[in-house]
Amino acid sequence: DVKVTQSSRYLVKRTGEKVFLECVQDMDHENMFWYRQDPGLGLRLIYFSYDVKMKEKGDIPEGYSVSREKKERFSLILESASTNQTSMYLCASSPPQEPTSAKNIQYFGAGTRLSVL
Amino acid sequence: GNSVTQMEGPVTLSEEAFLTINCTYTATGYPSLFWYVQYPGEGLQLLLKATKADDKGSNKGFEATYRKETTSFHLEKGSVQVSDSAVYFCALRGGTSYGKLTFGQGTILTVHP
Repeated sequence: DVKVTQSSRYLVKRTGEKVFLECVQDMDHENMFWYRQDPGLGLRLIYFSYDVKMKEKGDIPEGYSVSREKKERFSLILESASTNQTSMYLCASSPPQEPTSAKNIQYFGAGTRLSVL
Repeated sequence: GNSVTQMEGPVTLSEEAFLTINCTYTATGYPSLFWYVQYPGEGLQLLLKATKADDKGSNKGFEATYRKETTSFHLEKGSVQVSDSAVYFCALRGGTSYGKLTFGQGTILTVHP
């Protein structure tokens, strides 16, 4: 089974702190994603990465950055946390894109619930 | 751009009732369509999928048919159980690279005994 592990289930941080959210996958997947989940808004893509050291902005990248130094690990960084970044953060991974492949599925971690006070 | 619209929730049903959660989409080309489920305190799990028009995805008694003419992918189950209580997300994957998903806003389902 694919396993996507997020390092923390719950985090509480202060405004202005630098925050690192870590995600590790064990299936040698090329693609990794960071989403935030907010009630009534569904999941929104923050950043994704299709290879080591490669990254692309998603729909809501402002206030975030990412790092992918190793294939299995994808980190989300809040350079200076703000209260409007209080949310549930979900990491996902998937194998390389094949447009019609039924095998191209995103696998999700359990999520990190971040509170910024 | 791509978008997904789900029916407003929350949805509350009694056990053994029939479930429909509506999902419509806007996309260019020929997207793949998915339903994900999130049980309390957990991440998202793939429930079912369909990759081309008229495909029917099914799993755990849930079904959804990819209707290109109505741009819809409605989720149905004939008889829900208390254990089906969860948040359900409809999503699409367009023909662009890297497998990015676009999600609907999610529908909370609560099933009472």
